[in-house]
Amino acid sequence: DAGVTQSPTHLIKTRGQHVTLRCSPISGHKSVSWYQQVLGQGPQFIFQYYEKEERGRGNFPDRFSARQFPNYSSELNVNALLLGDSALYLCASSLRQDHNEKLFFGSGTQLSVL
Amino acid sequence: GESVGLHLPTLSVQEGDNSIINCAYSNSASDYFIWYKQESGKGPQFIIDIRSNMDKRQGQRVTVLLNKTVKHLSLQIAATQPGDSAVYFCAENRGPGGYQKVTFGTGTKLQVIP
Repeated sequence: DAGVTQSPTHLIKTRGQHVTLRCSPISGHKSVSWYQQVLGQGPQFIFQYYEKEERGRGNFPDRFSARQFPNYSSELNVNALLLGDSALYLCASSLRQDHNEKLFFGSGTQLSVL
Repeated sequence: GESVGLHLPTLSVQEGDNSIINCAYSNSASDYFIWYKQESGKGPQFIIDIRSNMDKRQGQRVTVLLNKTVKHLSLQIAATQPGDSAVYFCAENRGPGGYQKVTFGTGTKLQVIP
C-alpha cells in the first residue's frame, strides 16, 4: 500500500518567489496536515484540513495557505518566500480529524530559498 | 508556556543494550502522546502511542511509560540494533477544540555503537 506521497522531493527557489507543494494522503484518509521542520528542530504544525475545510492553523504568517481537494489530496502554498522558509515540509494524513488519531507522515519536500 | 521536550539531545548505546529516551511535558491536560522515529532524509515514523488513562504500553521491542504525576514520558528500546539509529521525538497530539496539532520536542539522537 502506498504511504503519504509528497512532491516534489526537493525544490530550490529565490526570495520573493512563491511555491506550491503537493501531498497525496494514504488511501481512505480524509485528514491532511502540514508541518515545517527546520534543520535540527522538531516539526512545527502549520495546518490541518479535513473534508476540504481548514480545521486548525499554527502560528504561521498569511503567506502560508493550503487547500484540500475532493480526492483529499492537498496543496501548501507559500508566497513571497523568505530565506527563513528554507525547511523540510512534511505532510501527514489520518483517517479522521480527531486528536487521538495516528498520523502518518510522508518523506517531505526539502525547500531551499536562496 | 506549554511544551513537550526531551532531557538529552544525544544518546550513545552499545548494540544489544537497552536504550531509554526520556521526555517531559508541561501541560497537565495532555491526554495523548506519541513517539516518532525519524531517520535521515525521511519523515517521522510512528513507533508507539499512549493515552493518559494508561501508564505503560508495549510494542515490538519498545515500551512507553507514562508518569502523569511528574509529567514524564519514556521510550525503552530493548536489544538496540544499528537500525535503531535515528532521532526520536516524543510528541503530544492535541489542538484547541480537539483538532490535530502534534507538538514535537527537539528530539534525541540515538547512536548505536556496533
